[in-house]
Amino acid sequence: DIQMTQSPSTLSASVGDRVTITCRASQSAGASLAWYQQKPGKAPNLLIYWASSLESGVPSRFSGSGSGTEFTLTISSLQPDDFATYYCQQYYTYPYTFGQGTKLEIK
Amino acid sequence: QAQLVQSGGGVVQPGGSLRLSCAASGFTFDNYGVVWVRQAPGKGLEWVAHVSFHGTTKHYADSVKGRFTISRDNSKNMLYLQMDSLRAEDTAVYYCAKQRTARPNALDVWGQGTTVTVSS
Repeated sequence: DIQMTQSPSTLSASVGDRVTITCRASQSAGASLAWYQQKPGKAPNLLIYWASSLESGVPSRFSGSGSGTEFTLTISSLQPDDFATYYCQQYYTYPYTFGQGTKLEIK
Repeated sequence: QAQLVQSGGGVVQPGGSLRLSCAASGFTFDNYGVVWVRQAPGKGLEWVAHVSFHGTTKHYADSVKGRFTISRDNSKNMLYLQMDSLRAEDTAVYYCAKQRTARPNALDVWGQGTTVTVSS
């Protein structure tokens, strides 16, 4: 199985900050990487697919990059609605594993 | 718009069984692979099972293999998860979700989630 490791596990930031979350795969996941945002009590919401493609309706302040074993999610200017937990997921090979999550908190 | 509405779930004793259902609408269901994902209380997301658009190819997480069965009825636009030999560690919110395409892809539409509690 491909293990996905996110860092940091928790991130404290302020509105307007630029933040980056990293996701590392234990073996190559190609470009088969998605990022999701989840708020408490809600289902996850797709942000990025194929490592860098922005899902329709997602604000352009979200961007993704990377391939192989290292991927990043960047939020260019944090907005109040962005404080949530973020997960990466590889869909390169079964089982389609998720990272452990990164909780983005208000500083 | 595309929507997945879940039903089923509840409280069950260890060793018991439960079936979750997921009704699809607003898209051509048999064009997409679909999955179940779960989230234990206070924990992260865990991919559970996948079924291909035609229903003939299935994959499972090791944690549920041999106990859970994913299936779909394309004539009814329905996805199912039959859960047998349930354990306390299966307690979680279960989500159904659809892939963006028939081929392996990210999950772009999610159900609202349904809670399964395994407890005596």
